[in-house]
Amino acid sequence: SAVISQKPSRDICQRGTSLTIQCQVDSQVTMMFWYRQQPGQSLTLIATANQGSEATYESGFVIDKFPISRPNLTFSTLTVSNMSPEDSSIYLCSVENRGLGGYTFGSGTRLTVV
Amino acid sequence: GEDVEQSLFLSVREGDSSVINCTYTDSSSTYLYWYKQEPGAGLQLLTYIFSNMDMKQDQRLTVLLNKKDKHLSLRIADTQTGDSAIYFCAEFAYSGAGSYQLTFGKGTKLSVIP
Repeated sequence: SAVISQKPSRDICQRGTSLTIQCQVDSQVTMMFWYRQQPGQSLTLIATANQGSEATYESGFVIDKFPISRPNLTFSTLTVSNMSPEDSSIYLCSVENRGLGGYTFGSGTRLTVV
Repeated sequence: GEDVEQSLFLSVREGDSSVINCTYTDSSSTYLYWYKQEPGAGLQLLTYIFSNMDMKQDQRLTVLLNKKDKHLSLRIADTQTGDSAIYFCAEFAYSGAGSYQLTFGKGTKLSVIP
């Protein structure tokens, strides 16, 4: 299955600032997924990122707040913009294990906004 | 909409079997997954089962699927302290307009008592 390198692993940020999270995959993948895991909650899909087109956002998530880049088939970034304490969560990227079933997840970015 | 339910906590003694249960509501599920999340880490795919299967065994892990009752379980034989983690059930189902969606439960925190 694919191997994902996600960074940073954690960060503490000031209210009103932005943080960009990076995910690098060791193989080419068509779609990359960005999830949020709020404290004590399950994972919620933020958006799906396709190379060469704009990301598709789920209900409740907007591009101005969570801009996503997908410059090539192995890399994507998620920016959490104008952060507030409510954005404190774990953010994870994911790709599908082509032909093998299931999804591989990055190790997650634990974000704390103060 | 889709809903995946799990009990939040399970505590077992080392060496005993653990059974983690999950119920889902979407009858169009194609795959059902179990993921493991250790403290401070991302999600690790443990196993998955195709919706037309009843059972899948992989070493210490046994997955049982009752499609009629929409009930999925994960049995861990000879539970070890290293199995202490949060286990997420996830359902992959058709969500309309040619797209599929992966929906997670809130996770079951397994505590193994030495």
